[in-house]
Amino acid sequence: NAGVMQNPRHLVRRRGQEARLRCSPMKGHSHVYWYRQLPEEGLKFMVYLQKENIIDESGMPKERFSAEFPKEGPSILRIQQVVRGDSAAYFCASSPQYSSTGELFFGEGSRLTVL
Amino acid sequence: GDSVTQMEGPVTLSEEAFLTINCTYTATGYPSLFWYVQYPGEGLQLLLKATKADDKGSNKGFEATYRKETTSFHLEKGSVQVSDSAVYFCALRTEYGNKLVFGAGTILRVKS
Repeated sequence: NAGVMQNPRHLVRRRGQEARLRCSPMKGHSHVYWYRQLPEEGLKFMVYLQKENIIDESGMPKERFSAEFPKEGPSILRIQQVVRGDSAAYFCASSPQYSSTGELFFGEGSRLTVL
Repeated sequence: GDSVTQMEGPVTLSEEAFLTINCTYTATGYPSLFWYVQYPGEGLQLLLKATKADDKGSNKGFEATYRKETTSFHLEKGSVQVSDSAVYFCALRTEYGNKLVFGAGTILRVKS
């Protein structure tokens, strides 16, 4: 009974390159959330997706960041032309369509380092 | 907007000491409240939750009571262990919301 799977766990990119982070939700979960954790800070919501739909992207930077959750395959968070300020841990969480408590289940995160 | 405020850390305690980490929230309606724990280098794990006023969530010796009158959800443990050293996050999900809103996190360090 696998949990939320994220890869890669660690990613190093040079400024200007692209970073792609992947997230496979728990089995049976159709909702995916992406959060960013900057060093010494809390978690900031970025985006909430269901299959093939972006439901809430109010926390996504307007430029360079995009997210998708296709009908088949994992959710992907894409960061184009990375800058040093993008260095952070990116956490994915999932939930079922209907949840009485609203609990989210988190992956172990992808840690991006921009040189 | 909806927000969560936690006491600042780090909190440093000796083994077997009593722990309190304060958490207050601002939200419309009746949110659900959560405590998550993050061990070094890992993701977040749900520690406990409460979905309505006066509910008490508990797990692994930790407790928190949903107090609507004071909009609080303070985390307590009677006797901490070195293995409790981690970052603790308070969070809420609003009644009709679709995401969790987190506090800034509180670092707990327990010394033997």
